[in-house]
Amino acid sequence: GDSVTQMEGPVTLSEEAFLTINCTYTATGYPSLFWYVQYPGEGLQLLLKATKADDKGSNKGFEATYRKETTSFHLEKGSVQVSDSAVYFCALSVGGKLIFGQGTELSVKP
Amino acid sequence: GAVVSQHPSWVICKSGTSVKIECRSLDFQATTMFWYRQFPKQSLMLMATSNEGSKATYEQGVEKDKFLINHASLTLSTLTVTSAHPEDSSFYICSAISFPWTNTEAFFGQGTRLTVV
Repeated sequence: GDSVTQMEGPVTLSEEAFLTINCTYTATGYPSLFWYVQYPGEGLQLLLKATKADDKGSNKGFEATYRKETTSFHLEKGSVQVSDSAVYFCALSVGGKLIFGQGTELSVKP
Repeated sequence: GAVVSQHPSWVICKSGTSVKIECRSLDFQATTMFWYRQFPKQSLMLMATSNEGSKATYEQGVEKDKFLINHASLTLSTLTVTSAHPEDSSFYICSAISFPWTNTEAFFGQGTRLTVV
């Protein structure tokens, strides 16, 4: 069945470091791909999305490119801030239903 | 973006009682709503899909008699946890999409933290 696999956390970085969180997926058809962010005690917020192969989603300095050939949607940011500390979820959409990866906790130290 | 409001944001109840959680789309008509459950430090697991005016579709392993879902209007879906027990304590999150579904984002409520004592 459809699934999403993310790199395990927690990931701890210093402020201004480069961030990569790996995400790969398995799906029949052509899903849309998403990154969501969850701050402590809160719900999910959409960070970025891509709806077809080679699309690049971007928001708040974060980027991810939909790679059909490698079935990947890795999240990157060139320079992280303390305020980026949160849990990040990669997800794919099938008929509006979202299938989530296990989440990756990011901790950014000053 | 569209707003989905979930209420209450947290609730504590006694074991054996029932708790109702509401999920409202405030500025769009949600033909379909989804209910997820999240355990601490874990991912979101889809519990059920509800379409307005019809019975919910439950994921495998989810007890439909325990988690009652009603989607009576295009702006409201409710999840009732019946005869709650401590193992039902969790973070419950709803999301909503509108028709026609165009493979774009679902909008999430802020979540409800349920603690059963």
